Amino acid sequence: DQQVKQNSPSLSVQEGRISILNCDYTNSMFDYFLWYKKYPAEGPTFLISISSIKDKNEDGRFTVFLNKSAKHLSLHIVPSQPGDSAVYFCAASANFGNEKLTFGTGTRLTIIP
Amino acid sequence: DAGVIQSPRHEVTEMGQEVTLRCKPISGHDYLFWYRQTMMRGLELLIYFNNNVPIDDSGMPEDRFSAKMPNASFSTLKIQPSEPRDSAVYFCASTLRPNYGYTFGSGTRLTVV
Repeated sequence: DQQVKQNSPSLSVQEGRISILNCDYTNSMFDYFLWYKKYPAEGPTFLISISSIKDKNEDGRFTVFLNKSAKHLSLHIVPSQPGDSAVYFCAASANFGNEKLTFGTGTRLTIIP
Repeated sequence: DAGVIQSPRHEVTEMGQEVTLRCKPISGHDYLFWYRQTMMRGLELLIYFNNNVPIDDSGMPEDRFSAKMPNASFSTLKIQPSEPRDSAVYFCASTLRPNYGYTFGSGTRLTVV
């Protein structure tokens, strides 16, 4: 039972344009959400997070939006750069992050120069 | 700090053999997690420890898998006997507190032939 779903295995975006990665979750207990970025032959690295008490969190070029009623979150990257090409994992946790993380299957983002 | 250290980076073994994966967490981190990455299921949590005690092993696929954390600076994940379907990348991660985000190691790519 996949509680965190990333339905797009891959996405290609032109350099300079906006990249939008989507994530859906089914467990209503989840209240803390994170995005991780993974380059080949490396472990995932933390990118940005959001708590369910907010609907938006911004960090430089990266913004995460949370729609609790739809159980949906998205990561926006503006503008997209070649170095953003990686696999992006969405993750969720209960108890405001004090419980284990459940990850999605990942979306491979390719930025086209 | 050298980060989370995993060894070996690559392991190729024959079906039926015992495989041991090793992890050294970041010093001072109280939590240690073992994840497995596959195309179909993304990052799956296998087991996690808090202060060297296993807290949740519900993700361990079957009795062939076992994990130990004899002290705060070392953990092992053992597969005995190994099977081709165990082929995946295995990640270890650690954190001081779960809502601080995890630091992942570079992973061990296991191939069982």
